[in-house]
Amino acid sequence: QTVVTQEPSLTVSPGGTVTLTCASSTGAVTSSYYPNWFQQKRGQAPRALIYSGSNKHSWTPARFSGSLLGGKAVLTLSGAQPEDEADYYCLIYYGGVQVFGGGTKLTVL
Amino acid sequence: QVQLVESGGGVVQPGRSLKLSCAASGFIFRSYAMHWVRQAPGKGLEWVAVISHDGRFIYYADSVKGRFIISRDNSKNTLDMQMNSLKTEDTAIYYCSRGAIVGAPKQLDFWGQGNLVTVSS
Repeated sequence: QTVVTQEPSLTVSPGGTVTLTCASSTGAVTSSYYPNWFQQKRGQAPRALIYSGSNKHSWTPARFSGSLLGGKAVLTLSGAQPEDEADYYCLIYYGGVQVFGGGTKLTVL
Repeated sequence: QVQLVESGGGVVQPGRSLKLSCAASGFIFRSYAMHWVRQAPGKGLEWVAVISHDGRFIYYADSVKGRFIISRDNSKNTLDMQMNSLKTEDTAIYYCSRGAIVGAPKQLDFWGQGNLVTVSS
C-alpha cells in the first residue's frame, strides 16, 4: 500500500519562512506524480494552492510556492501570516489512483 | 462561478446502502474529470474515486473498491457515488471536487462544502 508522508506539525513565526515536505513510499516524487497542495482551515472545505508541483491557482497568495527537491514535493511559505495557520495536505497521482499525505498542522506563533 | 453542491448524506446502518450526489454548475461539466474525497471526523483527507470527463476511466481507493460506484450524467451536470455495504469506518464528510480538464495537468481545483455520512447502528 502506497503511503505519502508529511510532517505532522510545524510552527512558524509571523513573517517567517517554513517548508513543508511530501514524500512517497514508492520513491522520488517527480513531476510525473503531479503533486498538489491544499490548505484546510477548521470547519472549512479544502482549498487548492498548488498543482503539478509548482503551478499556482489564480487565487493562491504569492507567499506560497511549490517545488520538487531531494525527491520530495515541497511547499514553501515565505512571510507567514496569522491567517496561514491551517492544515496542509499534499496529493500524489499514481497513474489513476491518488493518495493524500497525512497532513501537516501549521501553527503561526 | 464554479459551484459544487453535495447532497444525499445522512445516517445509515452498517451493511446498508446510500447514494451521494453532486450538482455542478458554472463550468462545462462534460470537459472535466470529477473526484470524491472524504474526511473522517478529526482525521485527514482521503481520496476516494475519480471518473474521467466521459466516464470511460474510473479509479477507486482500495478502501472502497468493490463497494462504491462512481458515475456521472453529463446531460444533467451531476456526479454520483453509490455506496454499498457501508462500514462504520466509512463515516466521514464526503466532498466532490473538480478534476482536470481534458489534456491539462492533474489537479483538484474547486471543492464542494461537503456532505456528512454517518454509518452507525
